[in-house]
Order: sequence, then structure tokens, then C-alpha cells
Amino acid sequence: DAGITQSPRHKVTETGTPVTLRCHQTENHRYMYWYRQDPGHGLRLIHYSYGVKDTDKGEVSDGYSVSRSKTEDFLLTLESATSSQTSVYFCAISESPSQGTDTQYFGPGTRLTVL
Amino acid sequence: SQQGEEDPQALSIQEGENATMNCSYKTSINNLQWYRQNSGRGLVHLILIRSNEREKHSGRLRVTLDTSKKSSSLLITASRAADTASYFCATVGSMEYGNKLVFGAGTILRVKS
Repeated sequence: DAGITQSPRHKVTETGTPVTLRCHQTENHRYMYWYRQDPGHGLRLIHYSYGVKDTDKGEVSDGYSVSRSKTEDFLLTLESATSSQTSVYFCAISESPSQGTDTQYFGPGTRLTVL
Repeated sequence: SQQGEEDPQALSIQEGENATMNCSYKTSINNLQWYRQNSGRGLVHLILIRSNEREKHSGRLRVTLDTSKKSSSLLITASRAADTASYFCATVGSMEYGNKLVFGAGTILRVKS
């Protein structure tokens, strides 16, 4: 398995509180991604990073921010959590597409419940 | 959005039978990938097919791609109980930067022993 860990694995929080999820990789891959998975929607991209301090929005970025200060860590922050952000969050990594390797490797997921 | 749509939403078969799942998408693509997700786990990459390829094999998996119809199929032959999982297709758009994947909603496969 690719060396990807997510923390925490489970979290229950209250509406309006800030939440930060962490993704850590040991593969030295350039690209990192945050997805959310909800029933009936598959996975949807929230934000992604193509290098340290280089990030961009995905399909469902409203209410989320990200930061990447080191190659190995990609943080997802919910500034003020809402019940609609209750979901399972997955981090993924991939090497540079210019290398011809487009496969993404996924972490185990974080189940977040916002009450 | 170029989100893929998968068909069927759920499939139940006997061990040893073949399972076929279909995926359709909306815009031109660079490649299409299939992933498997076991219950409560992360996704695992199965196979990638590029836009200039029509068929690809990997073990018991066969993937076809028809870019004129914007569709793909995943065939799992001689299915096993361990193949029980959700299967997702995901596309990388030909005009997209960053290797961003757009996923379909998935097919739930149950293989009965």
C-alpha cells in the first residue's frame, strides 16, 4: 500500500467549530488531493495541490481551505463546520502526470460528523 | 461537469459468473480509470485506459473504451466472493491540468458464494 495516512480517522464535532484534517504521505509524490464521498455522488474533488504552497480549487471547494507547507503534508480545514459537511473525506496522491503515471493512491479516509 | 454515470447501480451475481459494469461520461478525456472500494476502506486503483486505446486486460479484468460513444465497460470474469465491493469509473479530462479525477457514483457488486 502507498504510504498515506489520514488523521483523525473519525471525528464528531459541532456546527460552527473549526476542523482540520491531515493527510501525510511518505511517497514524495508531487500531487495531493482531498475528496469527499457522499451516498449517490461518488467522490468529489474539494481541493488539490501540485506542489508545496501550490493549491487549486476542485468541484466542491466552498467552505473548505487547504494548506501545504511540506511535500508530505496536506491539510484540509473547515473554518466553521456545517451539517452539510458531514461526510467521509479521502486524501489521494499521485506522481506528476508528465511522468505518464496518472494513478491516484488513496488514504483510508476520515469519517466526519457535524452535529 | 464531466461526471461519469455508472450502470447498473447494483449488481448481484453468483460466484463464477462474469460481472459487467458500464460507465458513460460527457466530455473528451485523456484517460479513464477504474477503482474498487471495499466497505469502509479507501479506493484501490484497478486499471487505466488511455483515450487512444480500445481495450485493456489485467488478470481477470477487461476494460473497453469507446470514445465515440463516451462510454467504457469493466468486465470481471469468473467472479469470486472477494470481488464484492463498489466499483467506480473516473475520468481525466483532456483539457484539464493537475490529473484531476471526476468520479461516477459507482456500481455496488455483490458476489454470492
